[in-house]
Amino acid sequence: AQSVTQPDARVTVSEGASLQLRCKYSYFGTPYLFWYVQYPRQGLQLLLKYYPGDPVVQGVNGFEAEFSKSNSSFHLRKASVHWSDWAVYFCAVYNQGKLIFGQGTKLSIKP
Amino acid sequence: EAAVTQSPRSKVAVTGGKVTLSCHQTNNHDYMYWYRQDTGHGLRLIHYSYVADSTEKGDIPDGYKASRPSQENFSLILELASLSQTAVYFCASSEEGYAEQFFGPGTRLTVL
Repeated sequence: AQSVTQPDARVTVSEGASLQLRCKYSYFGTPYLFWYVQYPRQGLQLLLKYYPGDPVVQGVNGFEAEFSKSNSSFHLRKASVHWSDWAVYFCAVYNQGKLIFGQGTKLSIKP
Repeated sequence: EAAVTQSPRSKVAVTGGKVTLSCHQTNNHDYMYWYRQDTGHGLRLIHYSYVADSTEKGDIPDGYKASRPSQENFSLILELASLSQTAVYFCASSEEGYAEQFFGPGTRLTVL
């Protein structure tokens, strides 16, 4: 069955450090993939999306993600995190008219 | 700018009572969705719709009904609210099923 796994429930990084949030998907065929961010007490906002093509996609606020078919992964990266990146990040895969979300990774920033 | 609004923003309901959550979008989108989010969990799809006057079951439809009377409006109805339905509910809309979803601010529902 189609699914998304985010293996890290919580990640803490220092401000200015690089970041990688992991996402593994299970999907038959080539997926459409998404990363959303949820800031405290708000709804979700799209960071970036992958439609079949260039495996590295750029998003807002310096985020990028790389699709790997061989590893069934779509990891999110940022070169230098800012305190304003403190949020919950969700990976999702499109399947038959709807999105399937991962459990989310809560990102905390150390000053 | 795309806009999805939800009402009420928070609600306290009694067990066994009827609850209606409303969602309105001004995006001219065909697709609309209702999700619930529980502490420590991701979003789970309850119902969705891709055309007015029609709704589809999502992954966790039991205990919920949905209504899409127009392209702009999508309601979630709890006929007999239960304690287990305490959660934050999000509405979203999208132009196509595979396209970006725009989310509302959420409704915090507490069932006592």
